[in-house]
Amino acid sequence: AQTVTQSQPEMSVQEAETVTLSCTYDTSESDYYLFWYKQPPSRQMILVIRQEAYKQQNATENRFSVNFQKAAKSFSLKISDSQLGDAAMYFCAYRSYYAGGTSYGKLTFGQGTILTVHP
Amino acid sequence: DTAVSQTPKYLVTQMGNDKSIKCEQNLGHDTMYWYKQDSKKFLKIMFSYNNKELIINETVPNRFSPKSPDKAHLNLHINSLELGDSAVYFCASTRDSGGAGSETQYFGPGTRLLVL
Repeated sequence: AQTVTQSQPEMSVQEAETVTLSCTYDTSESDYYLFWYKQPPSRQMILVIRQEAYKQQNATENRFSVNFQKAAKSFSLKISDSQLGDAAMYFCAYRSYYAGGTSYGKLTFGQGTILTVHP
Repeated sequence: DTAVSQTPKYLVTQMGNDKSIKCEQNLGHDTMYWYKQDSKKFLKIMFSYNNKELIINETVPNRFSPKSPDKAHLNLHINSLELGDSAVYFCASTRDSGGAGSETQYFGPGTRLLVL
């Protein structure tokens, strides 16, 4: 079974600065997907960024980028030019590439990291 | 125009009661999920349905019974509610239909259940 670990329960950053959230995972699969979801106080789960394991290039979405290290099984999220609206809980999640079988596309989540943005 | 909706958003009830949470998606997706987020914010899969067929049942007590009347709906019925059932329950959907895919899961707004 896959596991996802976020070792930073809380992080803080000054507005306009850069912060990196860490995520490691354990799997025996070679093909999979990794995601970062954001959960603001409204509790809505919002997709931030997605990475396919077979792609060597790191995914980027505006101010959000990842550092995907497949051999190290590491998937960190970098938030540049942090904004007050970035304050939320961030979850790293893993999904098998193949949607069939007992995993059937389920997401396995890390414990979450609470990000505070100071003005 | 909400893609994945859940009702109710909040549910307060007494121990021993039976309650249902409803989920609907208007995205035309094939697969729907129920996740539970506990008091420590940990999210864990409970069930998955694909085209009305139960695919995943993650060791959830049989007091929890999902039902999918059609592809767009997945409801969760909970019998004999216990204090430990207090949590936020999220519905999600994806366009996966059995093959390899990279479809993102879209989440509903969550239902906060409080059992007194």
